Amino acid sequence: SQQGEEDPQALSIQEGENATMNCSYKTSINNLQWYRQNSGRGLVHLILIRSNEREKHSGRLRVTLDTSKKSSSLLITASRAADTASYFCATFVNDMRFGAGTRLTVKP
Amino acid sequence: EPEVTQTPSHQVTQMGQEVILRCVPISNHLYFYWYRQILGQKVEFLVSFYNNEISEKSEIFDDQFSVERPDGSNFTLKIRSTKLEDSAMYFCASMPTGRTGELFFGEGSRLTVL
Repeated sequence: SQQGEEDPQALSIQEGENATMNCSYKTSINNLQWYRQNSGRGLVHLILIRSNEREKHSGRLRVTLDTSKKSSSLLITASRAADTASYFCATFVNDMRFGAGTRLTVKP
Repeated sequence: EPEVTQTPSHQVTQMGQEVILRCVPISNHLYFYWYRQILGQKVEFLVSFYNNEISEKSEIFDDQFSVERPDGSNFTLKIRSTKLEDSAMYFCASMPTGRTGELFFGEGSRLTVL
């Protein structure tokens, strides 16, 4: 299967802590994207990192990409209760496919 | 801000009935997608659509499913003869140009098959 797989499946942290989620994938990619889904809602694009990039920042988000290991990580710094959501990585080969997601709970 | 809209937000149907889920993608977008998410599970790719024809489809997208863009704005997913296991959230998404960019998702249509 070509989609990414996130790890861990669930993560629970206290507000203010950092949250790190990992994604592994199987095939060569053009780019890797991270999306967020609040419970029962549509997915929202967070950040895209191209295959020739190693790290990208957007506000409190930091994404890394290691194409040799076929893996990516999403770091959310100084987490807030509002960051509680599921986070998915997505890779594109012939179409955009998503992993199973990491369910992040940030406790106030 | 432009957004992808989906109707209905929730549909309840009897097993064996036909269902049509509707989507209005963002107007200048060229690529359209349907995804499915069974409660609490992964977001599964169903089909992509470009230039009035299917670009890619997954193994889930069998003869029970069809898509069309009847009038240049709406993008519909038809499920013929629904089964209990079709109960899920169905998400429409669109992409402006190029097949590798950002996807814009609608809020989904929840289908419950009884």
